[in-house]
This record gives sequence, structure tokens and C-alpha cells, in this order.
Amino acid sequence: AQSVTQLDSQVPVFEEAPVELRCNYSSSVSVYLFWYVQYPNQGLQLLLKYLSGSTLVESINGFEAEFNKSQTSFHLRKPSVHISDTAEYFCAVRIAGGTSYGKLTFGQGTILTVHP
Amino acid sequence: NAGVTQTPKFRILKIGQSMTLQCTQDMNHNYMYWYRQDPGMGLKLIYYSVGAGITDKGEVPNGYNVSRSTTEDFPLRLELAAPSQTSVYFCASSDRLSTGELFFGEGSRLTVL
Repeated sequence: AQSVTQLDSQVPVFEEAPVELRCNYSSSVSVYLFWYVQYPNQGLQLLLKYLSGSTLVESINGFEAEFNKSQTSFHLRKPSVHISDTAEYFCAVRIAGGTSYGKLTFGQGTILTVHP
Repeated sequence: NAGVTQTPKFRILKIGQSMTLQCTQDMNHNYMYWYRQDPGMGLKLIYYSVGAGITDKGEVPNGYNVSRSTTEDFPLRLELAAPSQTSVYFCASSDRLSTGELFFGEGSRLTVL
């Protein structure tokens, strides 16, 4: 079975500061990794994903995450945050390939609050 | 651009009542899922379906039932509601050919008193 641990439940930062949201996973088989974002009173939206290839993946709004197989981590970073980045962020994992029927295992979530 | 639609958005139930959360998607996705979200716990998979007529249990299925008579619809039934079922419920769908993206509805907030 897979598991995901998000190491920080809440991360407060000031606008334009850098931020890192930490995620570690556990799995005995190859996995795909994801970050989802949930804005207040909305559903989850995919932010970025790692499937294979380059270990550094980027989103369209400036976030990036790096897959580190040796440390089983997939931390999310942004060099300069905006007020609009305030949201809850979820790290998720699924078994690579088609045998898991797309089922995701989620971490506990990290609430990012950006202060002016 | 409807995507995944859930109804109702909010509902209050009394202990022992039953209800059905509706979910429909217009993307012709084969895979559909029900998750529940509790504060500090992330999302837990309740049930999932890989196509019409095929459903299976997830991590936390007790107290719930599902059916999948069409590709579009995946209702979640709560029988004999209990306070432990107070939560936010999310329906999601995925194309079986995709590599992981789930499309989520906006959620249904259920309170059992």
C-alpha cells in the first residue's frame, strides 16, 4: 500500500517570499506523484504531476516540484508567492501503470496562507 | 463546461435518516470516485467505479453504498446516517487512458445531527 505524509499542516508566509511545502511518500512499487490545490469552497484542481522523465516539474503559475527517489520526497516550491496562492495543497500518489484504476492516495493537506 | 456536478451542495440530516448524494459527469470518463474530506485528514476513498455496472470498495466504505447504471452518473447512498459521516464529500472522474488527473466536483457538505 502507498502512503503520503505532508510534514506541515499550516504554512504562513508573507507575499513575495519563497515557500516550500513538504511531501514524503512510501511505496514498494513505482508511483506517479501529484500536487492538487483546493481554493476555499471549491473542489481540487491538479497543480502538477510527475510521471517519468525529468524529475523537476513545473506548473503554469510558477510552482515547481522535484521528485527525489532516494529521499522518497516530492516537495512543492515557489520562489515568490502571491495573495492568490492562499489555498490548501494536497500531495497525492498512485501506482504507476494501469493496475490501480487511477485511485489516488492523498496526504493530510497543507494550508498555505499568504499575508500582505 | 460542466465537468463533474454534485448535488446537493449542503445538507443537514438527523441521525438515522438516509439520503443520496448525486454525481454526474459529462466528459465520458470511465472511472469515477467518491472521496470524503475531513479536516487534517486529507481525502479518503469511499468507493470507486471503473465503468457502468462495476463498483468496488475504497478505504472507508462502511455506511455507504453506490451504484453505476450509466457512464455519467455515480450516486452515493448513505443509509442510517451517523455523526461520524459529517464531512465534505467529493466526486471525481478520470479517463482510463489518462495518467492520473482526476477531475473533481465542488463538493457536498453533509452534517449529521
